[in-house]
Amino acid sequence: AAGVIQSPRHLIKEKRETATLKCYPIPRHDTVYWYQQGPGQDPQFLISFYEKMQSDKGSIPDRFSAQQFSDYHSELNMSSLELGDSALYFCASSSGAPQETQYFGPGTRLLVL
Amino acid sequence: GNSVTQMEGPVTLSEEAFLTINCTYTATGYPSLFWYVQYPGEGLQLLLKATKADDKGSNKGFEATYRKETTSFHLEKGSVQVSDSAVYFCALLTGGGNKLTFGTGTQLKVEL
Repeated sequence: AAGVIQSPRHLIKEKRETATLKCYPIPRHDTVYWYQQGPGQDPQFLISFYEKMQSDKGSIPDRFSAQQFSDYHSELNMSSLELGDSALYFCASSSGAPQETQYFGPGTRLLVL
Repeated sequence: GNSVTQMEGPVTLSEEAFLTINCTYTATGYPSLFWYVQYPGEGLQLLLKATKADDKGSNKGFEATYRKETTSFHLEKGSVQVSDSAVYFCALLTGGGNKLTFGTGTQLKVEL
């Protein structure tokens, strides 16, 4: 079965640079979620989109922005990167119905030097 | 607000031992409950879920029962294998929002 696809899988950036993470949801899933997992931490919700509109917002820094496109893929844009942004970034998708199961991608590991 | 509390790890067991990882939650309304597993260097995989009280989720020999009266969703497996070594996250999802709230994760190490 098709799963959530994330790219790139690994990314190394310098401080103050920008990064763009991409997420391709499971086919026919219309909702995308972004989570950030720091080393040894539990995943923290950043932001979600339903039918191309932002549906919920968590602890996402103002330096980050995201959007969902007409084909339902999503991009997380991160600017002015800081050392503390080094983390595993997960995308998950679901069908959008209330309390529907979220399926996670393999994650993008971002290292900021 | 919503919160999930898991037993601290690491939990170290011998192969074929019985496993219990405790999870309790606080939530408004009637949440759905999940266990996700994260193998070393990999992403989060859904292990099992339960959507209402007294439901039992099960998968790959793991099971957990949604206990509303004790607000718990403990993970159990009768006989663990070395390949079960991973970090296990308990999580909840409420109908009012669509973000998962995770526990801090419990690392399981299974030795021969």
